[in-house]
Amino acid sequence: GAVVSQHPSWVICKSGTSVKIECRSLDFQATTMFWYRQFPKQSLMLMATSNEGSKATYEQGVEKDKFLINHASLTLSTLTVTSAHPEDSSFYICSGQRPSSYEQYFGPGTRLTVT
Amino acid sequence: KNEVEQSPQNLTAQEGEFITINCSYSVGISALHWLQQHPGGGIVSLFMLSSGKKKHGRLIATINIQEKHSSLHITASHPRDSAVYICAVSSYNTDKLIFGTGTRLQVFP
Repeated sequence: GAVVSQHPSWVICKSGTSVKIECRSLDFQATTMFWYRQFPKQSLMLMATSNEGSKATYEQGVEKDKFLINHASLTLSTLTVTSAHPEDSSFYICSGQRPSSYEQYFGPGTRLTVT
Repeated sequence: KNEVEQSPQNLTAQEGEFITINCSYSVGISALHWLQQHPGGGIVSLFMLSSGKKKHGRLIATINIQEKHSSLHITASHPRDSAVYICAVSSYNTDKLIFGTGTRLQVFP
Protein backbone atom coordinates (compact mmCIF):
# COMPACT_ATOMS: atom_id res chain seq x y z
CA GLY A 1 0.00 0.00 0.00
CA ALA A 2 0.90 3.65 0.11
CA VAL A 3 1.85 5.21 3.42
CA VAL A 4 1.59 8.82 4.46
CA SER A 5 3.00 10.04 7.74
CA GLN A 6 2.34 13.24 9.64
CA HIS A 7 4.43 14.92 12.27
CA PRO A 8 3.72 15.79 14.96
CA SER A 9 0.74 13.63 15.84
CA TRP A 10 -0.33 16.17 18.42
CA VAL A 11 0.84 19.61 19.44
CA ILE A 12 -0.12 22.15 22.07
CA CYS A 13 0.94 25.72 21.49
CA LYS A 14 0.29 29.13 22.94
CA SER A 15 -1.87 31.69 21.23
CA GLY A 16 0.13 33.85 18.85
CA THR A 17 2.79 31.28 18.04
CA SER A 18 3.24 29.41 14.77
CA VAL A 19 3.08 25.66 14.30
CA LYS A 20 4.40 23.60 11.40
CA ILE A 21 2.90 20.25 10.47
CA GLU A 22 4.74 17.92 8.11
CA CYS A 23 3.14 15.46 5.73
CA ARG A 24 5.33 12.87 4.04
CA SER A 25 4.59 10.18 1.50
CA LEU A 26 6.90 7.36 2.55
CA ASP A 27 6.79 4.94 -0.34
CA PHE A 28 5.38 6.85 -3.29
CA GLN A 29 5.68 10.19 -5.00
CA ALA A 30 2.75 12.45 -4.27
CA THR A 31 2.42 15.03 -7.01
CA THR A 32 -0.66 16.36 -5.27
CA MET A 33 -1.25 16.70 -1.56
CA PHE A 34 -4.41 17.83 0.17
CA TRP A 35 -4.83 19.42 3.56
CA TYR A 36 -8.03 18.97 5.54
CA ARG A 37 -9.28 20.03 8.93
CA GLN A 38 -11.89 18.25 10.93
CA PHE A 39 -13.90 19.46 13.90
CA PRO A 40 -15.36 16.96 16.38
CA LYS A 41 -18.16 14.84 14.98
CA GLN A 42 -17.93 16.61 11.63
CA SER A 43 -16.71 15.56 8.23
CA LEU A 44 -13.40 16.56 6.71
CA MET A 45 -13.19 20.01 5.24
CA LEU A 46 -10.72 20.61 2.44
CA MET A 47 -8.46 23.55 3.17
CA ALA A 48 -6.11 23.53 0.20
CA THR A 49 -4.64 21.51 -2.63
CA SER A 50 -0.92 21.64 -3.27
CA ASN A 51 1.01 20.46 -6.27
CA GLU A 52 4.74 19.90 -6.07
CA GLY A 53 6.66 22.96 -7.08
CA SER A 54 3.70 25.31 -7.38
CA LYS A 55 1.57 27.47 -5.13
CA ALA A 56 -1.24 25.87 -3.21
CA THR A 57 -4.84 26.42 -4.20
CA TYR A 58 -6.91 27.41 -1.19
CA GLU A 59 -10.60 26.77 -0.69
CA GLN A 60 -12.95 29.66 -0.26
CA GLY A 61 -12.81 31.05 3.24
CA VAL A 62 -9.37 29.66 4.09
CA GLU A 63 -6.85 32.40 4.78
CA LYS A 64 -3.73 31.72 2.76
CA ASP A 65 -1.63 34.05 4.90
CA LYS A 66 -2.64 32.19 8.01
CA PHE A 67 -2.30 28.65 6.71
CA LEU A 68 0.94 28.53 4.76
CA ILE A 69 1.39 25.47 2.61
CA ASN A 70 4.62 24.43 0.98
CA HIS A 71 5.00 21.39 -1.27
CA ALA A 72 8.72 21.48 -1.80
CA SER A 73 9.24 17.93 -2.99
CA LEU A 74 7.32 14.94 -4.26
CA THR A 75 7.32 13.44 -0.78
CA LEU A 76 6.90 16.38 1.57
CA SER A 77 4.30 19.04 2.14
CA THR A 78 4.10 21.31 5.16
CA LEU A 79 1.28 23.30 6.69
CA THR A 80 2.23 26.20 8.94
CA VAL A 81 -0.46 27.71 11.10
CA THR A 82 0.75 31.24 11.74
CA SER A 83 -0.24 33.30 14.76
CA ALA A 84 -2.40 30.49 16.02
CA HIS A 85 -5.55 31.24 17.97
CA PRO A 86 -7.76 28.93 20.04
CA GLU A 87 -10.27 28.73 17.19
CA ASP A 88 -7.54 27.09 15.08
CA SER A 89 -7.61 24.12 17.43
CA SER A 90 -8.65 21.21 15.29
CA PHE A 91 -7.60 17.92 13.76
CA TYR A 92 -5.53 18.46 10.62
CA ILE A 93 -5.19 15.63 8.09
CA CYS A 94 -3.17 15.48 4.90
CA SER A 95 -3.43 13.10 2.00
CA GLY A 96 -1.21 12.31 -0.94
CA GLN A 97 -2.17 11.39 -4.46
CA ARG A 98 -0.12 9.67 -7.14
CA PRO A 99 -0.02 11.09 -10.66
CA SER A 100 -3.03 10.14 -12.79
CA SER A 101 -4.84 8.50 -9.89
CA TYR A 102 -7.99 9.45 -8.02
CA GLU A 103 -7.01 7.57 -4.91
CA GLN A 104 -5.89 9.55 -1.88
CA TYR A 105 -3.77 8.11 0.90
CA PHE A 106 -4.39 9.77 4.22
CA GLY A 107 -1.99 10.60 6.99
CA PRO A 108 -2.83 9.76 10.61
CA GLY A 109 -3.64 13.37 11.41
CA THR A 110 -2.31 16.03 13.76
CA ARG A 111 -4.31 17.27 16.67
CA LEU A 112 -3.59 20.94 17.33
CA THR A 113 -4.60 22.59 20.57
CA VAL A 114 -4.01 26.32 20.94
CA THR A 115 -4.17 27.62 24.50
CA LYS B 1 -29.09 19.23 -0.24
CA ASN B 2 -25.62 17.73 0.06
CA GLU B 3 -23.99 16.40 -3.07
CA VAL B 4 -23.17 13.17 -1.22
CA GLU B 5 -25.73 11.72 1.15
CA GLN B 6 -25.18 8.80 3.46
CA SER B 7 -27.57 6.73 5.47
CA PRO B 8 -27.96 5.88 8.20
CA GLN B 9 -26.08 8.51 10.20
CA ASN B 10 -25.77 6.16 13.16
CA LEU B 11 -25.90 2.41 13.24
CA THR B 12 -25.78 -0.02 16.12
CA ALA B 13 -25.36 -3.73 15.57
CA GLN B 14 -24.75 -6.94 17.45
CA GLU B 15 -21.62 -8.87 16.66
CA GLY B 16 -22.19 -11.16 13.69
CA GLU B 17 -24.86 -9.04 12.03
CA PHE B 18 -24.78 -8.10 8.37
CA ILE B 19 -24.45 -4.35 7.94
CA THR B 20 -25.27 -2.10 5.00
CA ILE B 21 -24.39 1.57 4.64
CA ASN B 22 -25.79 3.50 1.72
CA CYS B 23 -24.44 6.43 -0.26
CA SER B 24 -26.18 8.50 -2.93
CA TYR B 25 -24.59 11.28 -4.92
CA SER B 26 -25.87 13.91 -7.30
CA VAL B 27 -22.76 14.92 -9.25
CA GLY B 28 -20.84 13.34 -12.09
CA ILE B 29 -18.00 11.31 -10.70
CA SER B 30 -14.76 9.70 -11.76
CA ALA B 31 -14.64 7.39 -8.75
CA LEU B 32 -16.31 6.69 -5.43
CA HIS B 33 -14.39 6.02 -2.25
CA TRP B 34 -15.28 4.31 1.00
CA LEU B 35 -13.15 5.44 3.92
CA GLN B 36 -12.95 4.27 7.51
CA GLN B 37 -12.08 6.55 10.40
CA HIS B 38 -11.36 5.05 13.79
CA PRO B 39 -11.78 6.98 17.06
CA GLY B 40 -8.07 7.86 17.04
CA GLY B 41 -8.72 9.86 13.88
CA GLY B 42 -6.68 8.09 11.23
CA ILE B 43 -8.41 7.48 7.92
CA VAL B 44 -8.04 4.30 5.91
CA SER B 45 -9.15 3.99 2.33
CA LEU B 46 -11.24 0.83 2.07
CA PHE B 47 -12.32 0.93 -1.56
CA MET B 48 -12.13 3.05 -4.65
CA LEU B 49 -14.55 2.00 -7.35
CA SER B 50 -16.05 3.35 -10.54
CA SER B 51 -18.23 0.39 -11.49
CA GLY B 52 -19.47 -2.96 -10.30
CA LYS B 53 -18.40 -4.53 -7.07
CA LYS B 54 -15.26 -5.01 -4.99
CA LYS B 55 -14.63 -7.35 -2.08
CA HIS B 56 -11.95 -7.32 0.55
CA GLY B 57 -12.29 -9.80 3.36
CA ARG B 58 -15.62 -9.21 5.07
CA LEU B 59 -16.19 -5.93 3.27
CA ILE B 60 -18.05 -5.56 -0.01
CA ALA B 61 -18.64 -2.35 -1.93
CA THR B 62 -21.00 -1.95 -4.85
CA ILE B 63 -21.82 0.94 -7.11
CA ASN B 64 -24.64 1.59 -9.56
CA ILE B 65 -23.56 4.43 -11.82
CA GLN B 66 -26.96 4.85 -13.46
CA GLU B 67 -28.69 5.22 -10.11
CA LYS B 68 -25.80 7.19 -8.56
CA HIS B 69 -25.81 4.92 -5.57
CA SER B 70 -23.26 2.85 -3.69
CA SER B 71 -23.46 0.48 -0.76
CA LEU B 72 -20.89 -0.77 1.70
CA HIS B 73 -21.63 -4.14 3.28
CA ILE B 74 -19.93 -5.69 6.26
CA THR B 75 -20.53 -9.39 6.75
CA ALA B 76 -20.19 -11.05 10.17
CA SER B 77 -19.61 -7.71 11.89
CA HIS B 78 -17.18 -7.51 14.78
CA PRO B 79 -16.64 -4.92 17.53
CA ARG B 80 -13.38 -3.90 15.84
CA ASP B 81 -15.48 -2.72 12.88
CA SER B 82 -16.76 0.10 15.09
CA ALA B 83 -15.74 3.29 13.32
CA VAL B 84 -17.07 6.09 11.17
CA TYR B 85 -17.52 5.08 7.54
CA ILE B 86 -17.31 7.87 5.03
CA CYS B 87 -18.44 7.87 1.43
CA ALA B 88 -16.61 10.33 -0.83
CA VAL B 89 -16.64 10.97 -4.55
CA SER B 90 -14.03 12.30 -6.95
CA SER B 91 -15.94 14.74 -9.12
CA TYR B 92 -15.36 14.80 -12.88
CA ASN B 93 -13.72 18.19 -13.04
CA THR B 94 -11.28 18.16 -10.15
CA ASP B 95 -9.19 15.89 -8.00
CA LYS B 96 -11.07 17.03 -4.95
CA LEU B 97 -13.11 14.67 -2.85
CA ILE B 98 -16.67 15.51 -1.90
CA PHE B 99 -17.48 13.85 1.41
CA GLY B 100 -20.63 12.45 2.84
CA THR B 101 -21.36 13.18 6.47
CA GLY B 102 -20.32 9.72 7.59
CA THR B 103 -22.02 6.80 9.28
CA ARG B 104 -21.06 6.07 12.86
CA LEU B 105 -21.13 2.32 13.41
CA GLN B 106 -21.00 0.63 16.78
CA VAL B 107 -20.85 -3.13 16.96
CA PHE B 108 -21.49 -4.65 20.36
CA PRO B 109 -20.28 -8.08 21.46
